[in-house]
Amino acid sequence: DTAVSQTPKYLVTQMGNDKSIKCEQNLGHDTMYWYKQDSKKFLKIMFSYNNKELIINETVPNRFSPKSPDKAHLNLHINSLELGDSAVYFCASSPGLVETQYFGPGTRLLVL
Amino acid sequence: GENVEQHPSTLSVQEGDSAVIKCTYSDSASNYFPWYKQELGKRPQLIIDIRSNVGEKKDQRIAVTLNKTAKHFSLHITETQPEDSAVYFCAASFLQFYFGTGTSLTVIP
Repeated sequence: DTAVSQTPKYLVTQMGNDKSIKCEQNLGHDTMYWYKQDSKKFLKIMFSYNNKELIINETVPNRFSPKSPDKAHLNLHINSLELGDSAVYFCASSPGLVETQYFGPGTRLLVL
Repeated sequence: GENVEQHPSTLSVQEGDSAVIKCTYSDSASNYFPWYKQELGKRPQLIIDIRSNVGEKKDQRIAVTLNKTAKHFSLHITETQPEDSAVYFCAASFLQFYFGTGTSLTVIP
């Protein structure tokens, strides 16, 4: 009954590499999000997509590029990884903009 | 944009006691206020939410109160149990979610 899934679960990589994280939801939701949770547990929104259209792009380095091939998927590509990118990245989805968000299991990214 | 403050950052209570976590927000347009629980190593999960047309909502041992005039809302957990130990996040939302900074709750058996 996986509602929101992410791959990979763990990602360990070297500085300067490029990596992608994939997210899929089978809830039929219109809106999907990417969050970054740092070591202090702060949850910060990075991007929000509604019906495949970008609607929120918080102050995030342009090394981060989201891509939504369809309503059920929102992938995150990160170029030129830096040490400070180490965090847990959560994907989430909701029926609409001001609705309950359902989170994926998270991707633990460690940049060495 | 919205600014959500959450207090306290850490909270320890004895099993069976009540726990209260408070949040304030700045944008009077915010109209949806969910609370999420995040256990160690897990994803945040919704435990209760309230909309701006309601002042209080209760679900078994969990309740949320909202004071729109003062722009604050609170989570109340009664008869706490060790499995309530987790990090709790409040959020305020109008067109997007703004999360509070989290409260680490420890229930001591």
